[in-house]
Amino acid sequence: AQSVTQLDSQVPVFEEAPVELRCNYSSSVSVYLFWYVQYPNQGLQLLLKYLSGSTLVKGINGFEAEFNKSQTSFHLRKPSVHISDTAEYFCAVSGTSYGKLTFGQGTILTVHP
Amino acid sequence: DVKVTQSSRYLVKRTGEKVFLECVQDMDHENMFWYRQDPGLGLRLIYFSYDVKMKEKGDIPEGYSVSREKKERFSLILESASTNQTSMYLCASSSWTDNTGELFFGEGSRLTVL
Repeated sequence: AQSVTQLDSQVPVFEEAPVELRCNYSSSVSVYLFWYVQYPNQGLQLLLKYLSGSTLVKGINGFEAEFNKSQTSFHLRKPSVHISDTAEYFCAVSGTSYGKLTFGQGTILTVHP
Repeated sequence: DVKVTQSSRYLVKRTGEKVFLECVQDMDHENMFWYRQDPGLGLRLIYFSYDVKMKEKGDIPEGYSVSREKKERFSLILESASTNQTSMYLCASSSWTDNTGELFFGEGSRLTVL
């Protein structure tokens, strides 16, 4: 069985500050890891994904994430946030057939001016 | 671009009514999913389908059923809606040839049961 824990339910931050959204996972098999973003009243869109290779993954809108196998973590970072980054962010893990993803509880990022 | 379309963005139904939520994808994906999204609980898988007429229960199938008569269409059915089914419902699809699990989502259907 797999599980994903997002350690912060809400993260407030000021514009142009750095941000880190934390994600830990558990799985008995090799995994693929994802971050999705959901803007208000919209569906989820893919931000970035780790499949294999380099543990530092770059995504859209200046976000990046680092896969740490020993700590079973996949934290999302951005060095300088914008108001438009205000959204809910979901970490997800896939390690089974049929492409089933297990999602974390979500982190609401609010960027203040 | 992959497009996943959910037929209704907002629905209001009464307790006991039968509810159909429709989802269509245009990328010939084999896999389709229905998730439920609630604050603080993230996304929880209700049902998924990896082929026409095939279906598998997810983590919270109780009170729901699904139908997949055509490859591009996956319907979620609430036989007798209850207030605890008030939620955001998200449909997603993925390709069998892409075994990473990346999902493509629709805009969501927000259901209120009174």
